[in-house]
Amino acid sequence: GAVVSQHPSWVICKSGTSVKIECRSLDFQATTMFWYRQFPKQSLMLMATSNEGSKATYEQGVEKDKFLINHASLTLSTLTVTSAHPEDSSFYICSAGDRGRGNTIYFGEGSWLTVV
Amino acid sequence: LAKTTQPISMDSYEGQEVNITCSHNNIATNDYITWYQQFPSQGPRFIIQGYKTKVTNEVASLFIPADRKSSTLSLPRVSLSDTAVYYCLVGFNGGATNKLIFGTGTLLAVQP
Repeated sequence: GAVVSQHPSWVICKSGTSVKIECRSLDFQATTMFWYRQFPKQSLMLMATSNEGSKATYEQGVEKDKFLINHASLTLSTLTVTSAHPEDSSFYICSAGDRGRGNTIYFGEGSWLTVV
Repeated sequence: LAKTTQPISMDSYEGQEVNITCSHNNIATNDYITWYQQFPSQGPRFIIQGYKTKVTNEVASLFIPADRKSSTLSLPRVSLSDTAVYYCLVGFNGGATNKLIFGTGTLLAVQP
C-alpha cells in the first residue's frame, strides 16, 4: 500500500489564486520531504527540499515566494502555489525517505494542477 | 550528485526478459542505486534498491558490478502492464542529503 499520500489528486484553480497541496507520510516520520514537478512527457524536476521545523531549500531557478513550502510536522509537508498562472499547470509529486525501510525514498501519487 | 544515463526507450514482447542498463560513472561511496517505475499521471513506484552485487525481490533483479559505475535492472517475463518509464537513481539514503535527481528514464514498450 501507499506509504506517501498526496491530496488533492487534481485541482483546478483560477489565475491569481493560491492552491495548497498536501503530502503525508502514512506510517513513518519524515524529517525531510521533497517536492518535484513534472510536465507531460518529461522527467521529474526537483523543486525543493522540505525540512521539518526549518525553512525549505529550493533548487536553482525555483521561486521560493511563489512555491511556499511548510513542513510543520514529521508527517506532513505542504506546497502552496501562490498567485497561480497557467504556466504553473503541472503534475506535482512529493517524496519522503522511510528510515524503517532502509531509507528508501517513496513517492506520492502526484497532484495535477490546472490553472485556468 | 551522481548523474545517470539510460537508453531513452526499449521495446520488448510479452514473456521476454528485459534488461535495462544505467550508467552512473560518478557514483559516490555512500550512494545507493534505486530503480523506480512510473505510469502516466502517477508518482514513481519503488521497484528495487541495491548497493553492490545482486539484489532480487518478487518483481525484479538488480545487478551491480564491482566498480558500481553501472547497474542493470532485470525484469523477468514482462507483460503488457509493464509498459512504463523506468528511472535509475543514485543517492545517499540518509536524510536531508538524499535528494534524488531524475534523469530521462527509459520508456519500455511491451508488445503482444
